[in-house]
Amino acid sequence: NAGVTQTPKFQVLKTGQSMTLQCAQDMNHNSMYWYRQDPGMGLRLIYYSASEGTTDKGEVPNGYNVSRLNKREFSLRLESAAPSQTSVYFCASSEGTGVRVGTQYFGPGTRLTVL
Amino acid sequence: AQSVAQPEDQVNVAEGNPLTVKCTYSVSGNPYLFWYVQYPNRGLQFLLKYITGDNLVKGSYGFEAEFNKSQTSFHLKKPSALVSDSALYFCAVRWSSGGYQKVTFGIGTKLQVIP
Repeated sequence: NAGVTQTPKFQVLKTGQSMTLQCAQDMNHNSMYWYRQDPGMGLRLIYYSASEGTTDKGEVPNGYNVSRLNKREFSLRLESAAPSQTSVYFCASSEGTGVRVGTQYFGPGTRLTVL
Repeated sequence: AQSVAQPEDQVNVAEGNPLTVKCTYSVSGNPYLFWYVQYPNRGLQFLLKYITGDNLVKGSYGFEAEFNKSQTSFHLKKPSALVSDSALYFCAVRWSSGGYQKVTFGIGTKLQVIP
């Protein structure tokens, strides 16, 4: 099993450009998440998806959109990149929805720089 | 509001000495608590979790954590530190809202084990 995979690993964008970060998991998990990690800020939740076909905003959703394409894939789109979106982005997945509790499994991350 | 605090940005410990990385939380209801570790340029990896039961939880790589309800703490411990334990450690609390799981991470504590 590959676990959680993310593409690309690195990306440099100019202000105003758009891009989509891809994430896939092969663990048959229901829940998937997108986080950004910034120095001194820890991990902040951007969006999450509790099940296929549903998405919800997290703590810092502005400037982002997501798509839960199927149970395996959860993509994050930046429509018009801004320097404030320079960060490391992590995708994660976990078992269960509702009151079930599951450990999160993280991808290797995407390092995004917006010039 | 649900929150988790890691009061120390960095913890330095000599190899072979015991280590403690602190975490306190604020959540309504019963807390579900996690510790994750992040090695340089990698995603987060699960170490251990507390859901219910014994207050001392044992996890991967010889780590353990003690849940203290009266002090609302969940400190990470290891009896004898290794240089390879040097990494960034995140405490997280999971809680339920509207039937869905949500998670809040601390800002992370950098552990430096000195040879």
